[in-house]
Amino acid sequence: QKEVEQNSGPLSVPEGAIASLNCTYSDRGSQSFFWYRQYSGKSPELIMFIYSNGDKEDGRFTAQLNKASQYVSLLIRDSQPSDSATYLCASPISGTYKYIFGTGTRLKVLA
Amino acid sequence: GAGVSQSPSNKVTEKGKDVELRCDPISGHTALYWYRQSLGQGLEFLIYFQGNSAPDKSGLPSDRFSAERTGGSVSTLTIQRTQQEDSAVYLCASRLAGTDTQYFGPGTRLTVL
Repeated sequence: QKEVEQNSGPLSVPEGAIASLNCTYSDRGSQSFFWYRQYSGKSPELIMFIYSNGDKEDGRFTAQLNKASQYVSLLIRDSQPSDSATYLCASPISGTYKYIFGTGTRLKVLA
Repeated sequence: GAGVSQSPSNKVTEKGKDVELRCDPISGHTALYWYRQSLGQGLEFLIYFQGNSAPDKSGLPSDRFSAERTGGSVSTLTIQRTQQEDSAVYLCASRLAGTDTQYFGPGTRLTVL
């Protein structure tokens, strides 16, 4: 059973701080990883994806991937109250387009 | 259309009734997914369609669940003899072939009384 695991939170950070969201996965063959943001009562929207080991930056967001440790993270710099949401990590089972989602981490940015 | 659309947005039904949920993907997207999200939970994969290939039904929780996709576009998820545990938000997503990004619809909130 391929799994993607996340701490459910909530993770509370003060406005302006760096929020660090973490995800581990069991499928060693996984090649791509996705971070979705889901506001309460809304559908998920893609924030970032990462394929290669290392860091990938997009504005205030940085995705980090460590395939050896089977670990992917999302850093949000200068956190804003509008970043308060649940963040879902996802990855397709290797060799397929069947995506496994984590249960999500709820982030609260305190004004 | 501009995005993935789903209907109805809300559905309340009685235990034992059948329901049909509809998904209209982004035009040109050949891949279509159905997921289920129970309260406070992550997304549970149900079924995946890719073009004319046989669908991956490995996530359907029981034989009461079925889905079809007509003409490679609109998809319908049918739940027969609904049970209270079927209550959830059912999300549809579509993806352009050759890419990894899924675009989600707004979901259908199903409540089984």
